[in-house]
Amino acid sequence: KAGVTQTPRYLIKTRGQQVTLSCSPISGHRSVSWYQQTPGQGLQFLFEYFSETQRNKGNFPGRFSGRQFSNSRSEMNVSTLELGDSALYLCASSFGAEADTQYFGPGTRLTVL
Amino acid sequence: DQQVKQNSPSLSVQEGRISILNCDYTNSMFDYFLWYKKYPAEGPTFLISISSIKDKNEDGRFTVFLNKSAKHLSLHIVPSQPGDSAVYFCAASAGWYSGTASKLTFGTGTRLQVTL
Repeated sequence: KAGVTQTPRYLIKTRGQQVTLSCSPISGHRSVSWYQQTPGQGLQFLFEYFSETQRNKGNFPGRFSGRQFSNSRSEMNVSTLELGDSALYLCASSFGAEADTQYFGPGTRLTVL
Repeated sequence: DQQVKQNSPSLSVQEGRISILNCDYTNSMFDYFLWYKKYPAEGPTFLISISSIKDKNEDGRFTVFLNKSAKHLSLHIVPSQPGDSAVYFCAASAGWYSGTASKLTFGTGTRLQVTL
C-alpha cells in the first residue's frame, strides 16, 4: 500500500508570496492533518480535515489555510509568507476514528527568503 | 506552555543493551499516547501507541509503559540496534473524550544513538 505522499518536496519562496502544498493520504484514509516543524518550536499541529471539513485547528494565524477534496487529497496554503514560515511541513493521514494512528508523509521543506 | 516534555535531548546506548526514552505530560485530558521515530529529511514513522486504559503495550522489541498518576510514559527498546539511531518523539492527544484525536501534541524529541 502506498504511503502518504507530499508535493513538492522542496520549495523556495520570497517574503510576501503565497504557497500551496499538496498531500495525498494513504488509500482509504479520510483524515488529513498538517503539522509544522521548526527547530525552535518543534512539531506543531496546524489543522485537520475530515470528509472535506476542517475538524480541528491549531494556534496559527489565518494566513495558514487548507482544504480537502472529495478524494481525501488535501492542500495547505500559506499567504503573505514571512521568514518565520520557513519550516518542514508534514502531513499525516488516518482513517479518522477516535484515537486513530496518524501516518506521516516525508514533508515539504519550505524556505522563505 | 510545553504540555509534552522530553527532558533528555540525547541518549547513547550500546548495541544489544536496553534503551529507555522518557516523556512527561501535564495535560490530564491526554488519553492516547504515541511514539514516533524520525530520520533527517523524512517524516515521523509510527512505532507504538498506548491508550490511557492500559499501562503497558508491547510490539516486538518496543514496549511502552504509561504511569497515569505520574503523567509519565517511557519507551523501552530491547535489544537496541544501530538502525534504531534516530530522533524519537512522544506525542499525546485527548481523542477519546474530546473528539480531537487528530490534534497530536509532540515532545521536543530525544536523539538516540546506538553504538557498536
